[in-house]
Amino acid sequence: GAGVSQSPSNKVTEKGKDVELRCDPISGHTALYWYRQSLGQGLEFLIYFQGNSAPDKSGLPSDRFSAERTGGSVSTLTIQRTQQEDSAVYLCASSPTGASGYTFGSGTRLTVV
Amino acid sequence: AQSVTQLGSHVSVSEGALVLLRCNYSSSVPPYLFWYVQYPNQGLQLLLKYTTGATLVKGINGFEAEFKKSETSFHLTKPSAHMSDAAEYFCAVSEPPNFGNEKLTFGTGTRLTIIP
Repeated sequence: GAGVSQSPSNKVTEKGKDVELRCDPISGHTALYWYRQSLGQGLEFLIYFQGNSAPDKSGLPSDRFSAERTGGSVSTLTIQRTQQEDSAVYLCASSPTGASGYTFGSGTRLTVV
Repeated sequence: AQSVTQLGSHVSVSEGALVLLRCNYSSSVPPYLFWYVQYPNQGLQLLLKYTTGATLVKGINGFEAEFKKSETSFHLTKPSAHMSDAAEYFCAVSEPPNFGNEKLTFGTGTRLTIIP
């Protein structure tokens, strides 16, 4: 596609439920990143994919968070047993390998009630 | 480890005036530096980047930034502000690609308001 696509754009979930957030990167982009943007914490790195593997998961805040990428393309970020502090905008970005400065999607706004 | 400090969480300038948004970084390796802009309810858009070479870099919408190693700074400027420049601006730093991971470390952002 022309840009990085994220779905859903908004998600309201009840505390304790699991949620899945989807990212469709730009076709051919091998690197994919997830970030979280919240009022208290600013923009935080979560995880980095190179192809289907994740060499850097250091930003995942707890074991309730996981992510996968299949076919070197679509990525899913899963949050289990959501908590109110998980409320944030989750941003996905992609880039060709070795390029500097990547393209962000518009994000998924997650609200846990 | 890398970090970014943006001085001034809010900056207001008059339309037509100079825009100056400040960014200082810390990095143990040669930094790659970026400015992103975020409009309400949108993702981040790359304004400009410094990788290697010329220290004065020009970006979209008339913005430019200068990498000053001695001052560990990468301030963003625009000679004449336009109403459409009102947005939040983020400075970010990463390691070079040959270090294997280009994750960005962001500053806390500066909200730019343009006064008519």
